[in-house]
Amino acid sequence: EAGVAQSPRYKIIEKRQSVAFWCNPISGHATLYWYQQILGQGPKLLIQFQNNGVVDDSQLPKDRFSAERLKGVDSTLKIQPAKLEDSAVYLCASSLDLVGPSNLNYGYTFGSGTRLTVV
Amino acid sequence: QQPVQSPQAVILREGEDAVINCSSSKALYSVHWYRQKHGEAPVFLMILLKGGEQKGHDKISASFNEKKQQSSLYLTASQLSYSGTYFCGTGSDGNNRKLIWGLGTSLAVNP
Repeated sequence: EAGVAQSPRYKIIEKRQSVAFWCNPISGHATLYWYQQILGQGPKLLIQFQNNGVVDDSQLPKDRFSAERLKGVDSTLKIQPAKLEDSAVYLCASSLDLVGPSNLNYGYTFGSGTRLTVV
Repeated sequence: QQPVQSPQAVILREGEDAVINCSSSKALYSVHWYRQKHGEAPVFLMILLKGGEQKGHDKISASFNEKKQQSSLYLTASQLSYSGTYFCGTGSDGNNRKLIWGLGTSLAVNP
């Protein structure tokens, strides 16, 4: 099956500029996640969608970050305006709806990520 | 609460074994294990649900002790391809997809 597609792969912007990332999850995956991964740390969940509804956005800095998932498929994550501390890899992942005894072979599938550098 | 992984880093020679632990202060429903190679996305290894089960494939296996709120990942007869950072993600409620991730354990396997 095709993997999770993300673009762009790399992005360099100046602080206070805006940037947008795009993600196309695996077909049939109801749940989509955006993670921020700072070098040397584990992924930090920014937002989780179930179809096109938001399940969890408690760690999303809503004054500058926004995300949407149109028609329950593709998703975009936007930062406006960017700060130096936003420099990180932004990972998109998707998964089947629920984890249970019948689908323990399926975890998250991550995209290759977008490496953002804010200068 | 973020799970604690130990050790932070380990260096092995090819063929040696390693154990990576993941401990939580919260009751756990599930533990996920992923491996991330430098510059790449994390790759799914396995999921364990509460019930004290043990799973494995090839020479990588894991156990889950829900009473101790801990999971351990066992790497047997390590191969060069095992190098990378191992992350555990813990789920504490019925929504197993709301994971909290550890900081990772860096594993280097040398010839």
